[in-house]
Amino acid sequence: SQTIHQWPATLVQPVGSPLSLECTVEGTSNPNLYWYRQAAGRGLQLLFYSVGIGQISSEVPQNLSASRPQDRQFILSSKKLLLSDSGFYLCAWSTGRGFYEQYFGPGTRLTVT
Amino acid sequence: QKEVEQDPGPLSVPEGAIVSLNCTYSNSAFQYFMWYRQYSRKGPELLMYTYSSGNKEDGRFTAQVDKSSKYISLFIRDSQPSDSATYLCAMSLNSGGYQKVTFGTGTKLQVIP
Repeated sequence: SQTIHQWPATLVQPVGSPLSLECTVEGTSNPNLYWYRQAAGRGLQLLFYSVGIGQISSEVPQNLSASRPQDRQFILSSKKLLLSDSGFYLCAWSTGRGFYEQYFGPGTRLTVT
Repeated sequence: QKEVEQDPGPLSVPEGAIVSLNCTYSNSAFQYFMWYRQYSRKGPELLMYTYSSGNKEDGRFTAQVDKSSKYISLFIRDSQPSDSATYLCAMSLNSGGYQKVTFGTGTKLQVIP
């Protein structure tokens, strides 16, 4: 069966510090991968999606970036965090034929102070 | 106007009640409709998905789609305290070769024993 991992689970970082969140998927090959941010009262905001290694599409311009160095690894980064980057970050995957069925990881709660 | 509207609640019901959760949408291009359940501080879990108008049943859960009214519902029969969670509706359309998913903001449900 497929499993998705995210770490860390929680993170408190000062403004201006760098960020690296990691997501890995097990039990499937060539998944589509997604990064979302969830803020209270605003639902899930798609940040990035990737259909293959090195292929990243950005949905929202911001100071975040994403990379996919391996088939089942997705990384969310920032060089300098802003207060507005605080939120619950979720990684998700889907199969190539069923983009709409997305399966989420446990999430990382980021607080920027 | 948001593409997907969902009442945030909270919705509080006694154990055993029938729960009705609803979403409306404005974009008639949406093709697939989904419901996710999200427990506090966890990632969303896919409950049900459907493509066409009509009903789809899975145990105590029934998903209903009315494309003519742009309205979807999730019914929970014999609600249990373990159903207490936030329920997110989601819908997708083909955008540039992939299914773009738009989420509602979620309805918080509390089932009281």
